[in-house]
Amino acid sequence: AQKITQTQPGMFVQEKEAVTLDCTYDTSDQSYGLFWYKQPSSGEMIFLIYQGSYDEQNATEGRYSLNFQKARKSANLVISASQLGDSAMYFCAMREIFQGAQKLVFGQGTRLTINP
Amino acid sequence: EAGVAQSPRYKIIEKRQSVAFWCNPISGHATLYWYQQILGQGPKLLIQFQNNGVVDDSQLPKDRFSAERLKGVDSTLKIQPAKLEDSAVYLCASSFTQPSPQLRDTEAFFGQGTRLTVV
Repeated sequence: AQKITQTQPGMFVQEKEAVTLDCTYDTSDQSYGLFWYKQPSSGEMIFLIYQGSYDEQNATEGRYSLNFQKARKSANLVISASQLGDSAMYFCAMREIFQGAQKLVFGQGTRLTINP
Repeated sequence: EAGVAQSPRYKIIEKRQSVAFWCNPISGHATLYWYQQILGQGPKLLIQFQNNGVVDDSQLPKDRFSAERLKGVDSTLKIQPAKLEDSAVYLCASSFTQPSPQLRDTEAFFGQGTRLTVV
């Protein structure tokens, strides 16, 4: 079963608009962490934002915010005022406890294209 | 602070040949991951180490892939023999392991990857 589901293979957005990238997850753990990474065409994985399962407030990092809805098991990434440089693949990932250690699994990604 | 180092950056081999990738994680990071990323897909975890012990290798094709992490620092991933479907980017990542699950998670830091082409 998929642990992390990203249902949007591709998104196209006009520059300066806000965009929401969807992520749902599946876990029976009470303690887990959710991450978003950006992967530009150059290939490196860049950490964007983190949300802990016990965090009561939604995480924010500059133009990035995470819309965390624990009961619905969703952790959507919101990018405000999008820029051309935001064009990239975006991956949602979850860290959960597996056999006493933390395991990090990724979704399939969403390709975001910002149009001028 | 030095990042995660991987080598080589690129490798082209013929099918049935063998290949090895090397990873040096960030100093002090106990957790090391090897991921396979096929073009257009998300990273797939192949193997995860905690110090020099294997935490999870459930998705590692053990008939052809092997990995080790000697002394809990550097790691090597080997493929022998390679198949066409092994063409992918192999990403190494490391993270600091918090002593308590109550402490804030830390993100995994990734190397630049090794792009393998099997012809």
